[in-house]
Amino acid sequence: ETGVTQTPRHLVMGMTNKKSLKCEQHLGHNAMYWYKQSAKKPLELMFVYNFKEQTENNSVPSRFSPECPNSSHLFLHLHTLQPEDSALYLCASSQARAETQYFGPGTRLLVL
Amino acid sequence: SQQGEEDPQALSIQEGENATMNCSYKTSINNLQWYRQNSGRGLVHLILIRSNEREKHSGRLRVTLDTSKKSSSLLITASRAADTASYFCATYSGGYNKLIFGAGTRLAVHP
Repeated sequence: ETGVTQTPRHLVMGMTNKKSLKCEQHLGHNAMYWYKQSAKKPLELMFVYNFKEQTENNSVPSRFSPECPNSSHLFLHLHTLQPEDSALYLCASSQARAETQYFGPGTRLLVL
Repeated sequence: SQQGEEDPQALSIQEGENATMNCSYKTSINNLQWYRQNSGRGLVHLILIRSNEREKHSGRLRVTLDTSKKSSSLLITASRAADTASYFCATYSGGYNKLIFGAGTRLAVHP
């Protein structure tokens, strides 16, 4: 739809598991973002990458570890998560310093 | 911290009616954006209005901005069942790339 894909679309993991979320954008953008959307809470910005460099970490716990190997790919590595980390994780991209962001469909994460 | 706050939290209307959603924000802005999210999906950008604009149209969408009141409204005219979604306003905080979203308005349009 928007040129931003996310895999997997759904993920169930135990608190001791390690998993990774993947995001890929096909729009030629150079900024990428991770957001967390929990029930009944506003969308929360987690991380921002510009030209592969992390420029924003919004006080995210270290059990979430982002990786941006190039401008087209963004990963979110997860380990020892808590049930309250269950949420929809959204990836977005934009041109650096651009105003409009383009979102992927999200990964629905359930931590048991 | 939350920059934009929408009201109402939920809105239920019949097809053909107009839907109006409001957003208030706290700090000065360069622009304000509206996004739409279908249930459990990603957000889609709808419209951007700059701080020196008072009104903007896009199809059935009309957005107004009142910087003196730090508020914006989104009007969807002649609503359709397919307009059922959550609508969010968003502004930038603390520089470029840090887009802050409000809690959203859940719109239900009944056939």
